[in-house]
Amino acid sequence: DTAVSQTPKYLVTQMGNDKSIKCEQNLGHDTMYWYKQDSKKFLKIMFSYNNKELIINETVPNRFSPKSPDKAHLNLHINSLELGDSAVYFCASSQGTGDYEKLFFGSGTQLSVL
Amino acid sequence: KQEVTQIPAALSVPEGENLVLNCSFTDSAIYNLQWFRQDPGKGLTSLLLIQSSQREQTSGRLNASLDKSSGRSTLYIAASQPGDSATYLCAVSLMFSGGYNKLIFGAGTRLAVHP
Repeated sequence: DTAVSQTPKYLVTQMGNDKSIKCEQNLGHDTMYWYKQDSKKFLKIMFSYNNKELIINETVPNRFSPKSPDKAHLNLHINSLELGDSAVYFCASSQGTGDYEKLFFGSGTQLSVL
Repeated sequence: KQEVTQIPAALSVPEGENLVLNCSFTDSAIYNLQWFRQDPGKGLTSLLLIQSSQREQTSGRLNASLDKSSGRSTLYIAASQPGDSATYLCAVSLMFSGGYNKLIFGAGTRLAVHP
């Protein structure tokens, strides 16, 4: 009955590889997000989708490509992985985008690029 | 550019103490302010959300206040317990075109409550 689930929990890979992280929410929310938490523990937004449409695209290298096949899923594909991509990636969702909306987070995917 | 600062960065207290965690932000044009809890190896849990028109919110032993004009929020934890040990993150929501908003996070306060 996990609300926001992301897989895998851990991902260890070599530089240059392509990898994907999947996220699914069963809350019926319309909006989903990807956040990156770096080694200094700062959380920064990367992307946001509302009803499968991209609404936030921060200054993220175009090696990162989000895909939302439906409003319950938001996957993150990363091409040509670099050492600096090592971080914890969090998926989140909210019902909408109003000022009363709480975010619900997944448990994170720890990506280590060697 | 909105910046969110949390003080202190770390706090260690004995069980039973009342605590105050501080959060400050540079731009008062916020949509809302949220406090989250992060446990090691886990995601974030939303604790309290204060809309920009509100002054405070309470949930159990937690009380969060918001002073937009001074760019400050505090999270008050009453009668702390070892189970409160976690990192507490403050985040402000900014609105941008299209009526959408995004969260800007502080670096967090690591709290350790020992028996």
